[in-house]
Amino acid sequence: AQKITQTQPGMFVQEKEAVTLDCTYDTSDPSYGLFWYKQPSSGEMIFLIYQGSYDQQNATEGRYSLNFQKARKSANLVISASQLGDSAMYFCAMRGLNTGNQFYFGTGTSLTVIP
Amino acid sequence: DARVTQTPRHKVTEMGQEVTMRCQPILGHNTVFWYRQTMMQGLELLAYFRNRAPLDDSGMPKDRFSAEMPDATLATLKIQPSEPRDSAVYFCASGLGIGIIQPQHFGDGTRLSIL
Repeated sequence: AQKITQTQPGMFVQEKEAVTLDCTYDTSDPSYGLFWYKQPSSGEMIFLIYQGSYDQQNATEGRYSLNFQKARKSANLVISASQLGDSAMYFCAMRGLNTGNQFYFGTGTSLTVIP
Repeated sequence: DARVTQTPRHKVTEMGQEVTMRCQPILGHNTVFWYRQTMMQGLELLAYFRNRAPLDDSGMPKDRFSAEMPDATLATLKIQPSEPRDSAVYFCASGLGIGIIQPQHFGDGTRLSIL
């Protein structure tokens, strides 16, 4: 079975500071992909970044980076130089080789950036 | 940028009425997913399709919900009869069915209120 756990229901960060949002996963799949999505208050789900389980290097996309620690089964999202517009819900998701097309989502972390 | 298009964006109707939500996936994407999001349950997978064939609809109440893909450019989710507990945001997402690092891309959602 696949499972994604996000243990931080809410986080606060000062503007311009970096913040780490935690995500741990459980899977028996030999290969899998890990994803982060952002959901602002307007409601849309925005794809941010992905990491393949076989990737040696951590993924980066602008101010977003994914701190992937395979042995710990964690895929934390790091947002550098936080901006007010980063305030949103953030969801971690996984897709496994043996589960085909289905994505598994965590319960989300609400991030508030303080001016 | 290519986008998943969902209509309507908002729907308010009375209990017992039929509700039809539509989704146009991104051109070339061969997997389509329907999700329901509520405060209490979070993001729930209702059904998904690959190459227009339904692969899993176990998350959907079969007695009142139905999902179809009449062609590659249109997916529909119907509720008949609707009930107040169906009030939620319904998301459609599309993606490529191959490759574990292919993300899903979400539409903006349909905000459904059943009175």
